[in-house]
Amino acid sequence: DTEVTQTPKHLVMGMTNKKSLKCEQHMGHRAMYWYKQKAKKPPELMFVYSYEKLSINESVPSRFSPECPNSSLLNLHLHALQPEDSALYLCASSQIFGELFFGEGSRLTVL
Amino acid sequence: AQSVTQLDSQVPVFEEAPVELRCNYSSSVSVYLFWYVQYPNQGLQLLLKYLSGSTLVKGINGFEAEFNKSQTSFHLRKPSVHISDTAEYFCAVSEATANAGKSTFGDGTTLTVKP
Repeated sequence: DTEVTQTPKHLVMGMTNKKSLKCEQHMGHRAMYWYKQKAKKPPELMFVYSYEKLSINESVPSRFSPECPNSSLLNLHLHALQPEDSALYLCASSQIFGELFFGEGSRLTVL
Repeated sequence: AQSVTQLDSQVPVFEEAPVELRCNYSSSVSVYLFWYVQYPNQGLQLLLKYLSGSTLVKGINGFEAEFNKSQTSFHLRKPSVHISDTAEYFCAVSEATANAGKSTFGDGTTLTVKP
């Protein structure tokens, strides 16, 4: 069982839709992450929050907007996405130094 | 900057045979090293990690890895594999003083265990 919970597991959206991905962890970790993973590829880092503040943005297009409402929650707001944004979106958490704990991911399809 | 090279993109092996998945890294500073496994339609799960201390690290599901600083390698081994070990395996490295989320991942090795 994963201790990082992501919802929804699957999402299909049109290019004009607005949707959100949600992530929750209760391990007391102070760092949370969004990764994007294409098929047969390693995860690509998108955003990092440390102590609820955005610390890393890996030059992600503005159609992806992260939000960290509190130390346990992480959201990724999606707007005006492109078909090439279809991928598995993984949330992870960690202590500041240490291994990553991943959720099972949200599989996004953009039509 | 750091980099990770997983030397084999695919490793087919028969059930109960030993396996080694190879990982080399490059970094100008001290590093932490990790192996993650990803089963189909799931997220990544930590197999084992090297932070400091003993260079032989034991992980879950019978896997182990050895940190070799002189050869800048962190190869993953298992003496006898099962069908259930079929998955994608990622080696990752992060600077020892950096946020773990800045880990650099290798391209992955697909392990296929055949009956």
